[in-house]
Amino acid sequence: GDSVTQMEGPVTLSEEAFLTINCTYTATGYPSLFWYVQYPGEGLQLLLKATKADDKGSNKGFEATYRKETTSFHLEKGSVQVSDSAVYFCALRTDDMRFGAGTRLTVKP
Amino acid sequence: NAGVTQTPKFQVLKTGQSMTLQCAQDMNHNSMYWYRQDPGMGLRLIYYSASEGTTDKGEVPNGYNVSRLNKREFSLRLESAAPSQTSVYFCASSDLRGTGAYEQYFGPGTRLTVT
Repeated sequence: GDSVTQMEGPVTLSEEAFLTINCTYTATGYPSLFWYVQYPGEGLQLLLKATKADDKGSNKGFEATYRKETTSFHLEKGSVQVSDSAVYFCALRTDDMRFGAGTRLTVKP
Repeated sequence: NAGVTQTPKFQVLKTGQSMTLQCAQDMNHNSMYWYRQDPGMGLRLIYYSASEGTTDKGEVPNGYNVSRLNKREFSLRLESAAPSQTSVYFCASSDLRGTGAYEQYFGPGTRLTVT
């Protein structure tokens, strides 16, 4: 069945460092792809999305490009802040939504 | 708009007790979902309701029942709680009309501990 594999954490970075969180997927159809973020004690919030190959989703300085040839949707940010500390989930949707296990990011001042 | 709301935020139950988790959305979405989140396992779908009046099992339905009370409300019931049901429970909703990406919108979660 459809599935998402994302980079295991935790990831610890210093402020202003470059962030990459890897995400690859397996799907029989043409999924929509998402990154969600979960701040401590809160529910998941949609961070960005892409609906077709080569689409780039972006929000709050984060970006991810839908790569059909490598079945990937890696999350990147050029300069992380302490406030970006959270758990990040990659997800795909075909008939239903499938989530990765989550990657915890901690950014230190 | 409040979005998706859940009650209670926290609950402690003894093994064998029952309880109902409440969820409501004010976005006029037709689909609603219940997930559980356990460490290292991401989110697992318990039940979903594609539209008012319908419910279907997800990946981990055993030990749970649901009711889609109306378009706004979707409740999750634990009839006889077990320690394995200790988890954080999230409700979500989605608008499946049109040709959108059908992203889901989440509530703040209920942290349940069963002793």
